[in-house]
Amino acid sequence: TAGITQAPTSQILAAGRSMTLRCTQDMRHNAMYWYRQDLGLGLRLIHYSNTAGTTGKGEVPDGYSVSRANTDDFPLTLASAVPSQTSVYFCASSLTSGGHNEQFFGPGTRLTVL
Amino acid sequence: GQNIDQPTEMTATEGAIVQINCTYQTSGFNGLFWYQQHAGEAPTFLSYNVLDGLEEKGRFSSFLSRSKGYSYLLLKELQMKDSASYLCAFMDSNYQLIWGAGTKLIIKP
Repeated sequence: TAGITQAPTSQILAAGRSMTLRCTQDMRHNAMYWYRQDLGLGLRLIHYSNTAGTTGKGEVPDGYSVSRANTDDFPLTLASAVPSQTSVYFCASSLTSGGHNEQFFGPGTRLTVL
Repeated sequence: GQNIDQPTEMTATEGAIVQINCTYQTSGFNGLFWYQQHAGEAPTFLSYNVLDGLEEKGRFSSFLSRSKGYSYLLLKELQMKDSASYLCAFMDSNYQLIWGAGTKLIIKP
């Protein structure tokens, strides 16, 4: 079982360009999440989805958008990248959104915006 | 407001015991998680506490005091492979995880 996968592994992007980070899980989890991780800071939630067809904003949603057309996929789009979006991006999923539901993380995408 | 705090870095000796503390403040609480993250890798789940007390899982134990807004992760019989960052996170009233910055644990032979 693959679990949760992300693509690409890493990317260098010119400022102003758009990009979609892909995330796919095969665990039939209802909830999915996008985080960014920056040195010296905790993981920060960008967007989440409690179930297919619904999405919500996290702590740092500006400059990012998501969609959840089906259970498995949860792409994150940067419409016009800026250098402050340089970060490591983790996608995660959990069976449901509440209580004792551990989140499983993908391997991450390292994004550099120049 | 909400906040969570843990030490930035700790050093311990192989075979010893280490305790990593985490303090938090929140008006809504739905549990406390600990994750392990090796350098360059994804976080992986270690433990979950929602009631006060100690949860033991092999060499790792996690403790929670809700009244004090305090948790710790106890690692026994330390091995070199335990060198990693340990992330503390609480689940708030919206069922979202609020993460600490992580504690980098360095194990020395």
